[in-house]
Amino acid sequence: NAGVTQTPKFQVLKTGQSMTLQCAQDMNHEYMSWYRQDPGMGLRLIHYSVGAGITDQGEVPNGYNVSRSTTEDFPLRLLSAAPSQTSVYFCASSWGTSYNSPLHFGNGTRLTVT
Amino acid sequence: GDSVTQMEGPVTLSEEAFLTINCTYTATGYPSLFWYVQYPGEGLQLLLKATKADDKGSNKGFEATYRKETTSFHLEKGSVQVSDSAVYFCALSTEAGTALIFGKGTTLSVSS
Repeated sequence: NAGVTQTPKFQVLKTGQSMTLQCAQDMNHEYMSWYRQDPGMGLRLIHYSVGAGITDQGEVPNGYNVSRSTTEDFPLRLLSAAPSQTSVYFCASSWGTSYNSPLHFGNGTRLTVT
Repeated sequence: GDSVTQMEGPVTLSEEAFLTINCTYTATGYPSLFWYVQYPGEGLQLLLKATKADDKGSNKGFEATYRKETTSFHLEKGSVQVSDSAVYFCALSTEAGTALIFGKGTTLSVSS
């Protein structure tokens, strides 16, 4: 009963480095999304996907790429890390749209960019 | 644009006290409204939801009523416990439903 699994839990990067945050879900959910959580800002949507092969931008997409080659996986790529990307990242999935189906969240990845 | 405003924290209460966390929203149409809770070191989990005006969502002793006339969805609990200490997020989703729009979160700390 894994739900949404995010790896790694913690990561420290230097400015300019690249990395991929992994997200996998075992609930056969079509909808997946990435949020970042910053103090005093709540959660903000980075990218989302409504199914394999389909992705779109959210509120704060700059500096991030995503792809969705399978239903289960939705990795988030940082191409050239910047200190402004220091944040806690959450992946979420749902069986339907956020209007009528609850989001299931992973436990987050805490990223620090120095 | 669509937005959610919730009361600033932190909220500090003694065990068995009454809790209210205010939440108001701005949205076109008829959004669905949610409360999510985040316990330390964990992701968010759905606490309760309401999908139409005058609906009351409830779970684990928490309640919130969808008030369209005041565009509000205040969270209440009659008697809080230490285990309720967490961050609470109010959120909405419009009918387009591509994502949730979150408030900034309210930290609740309950002491025994």
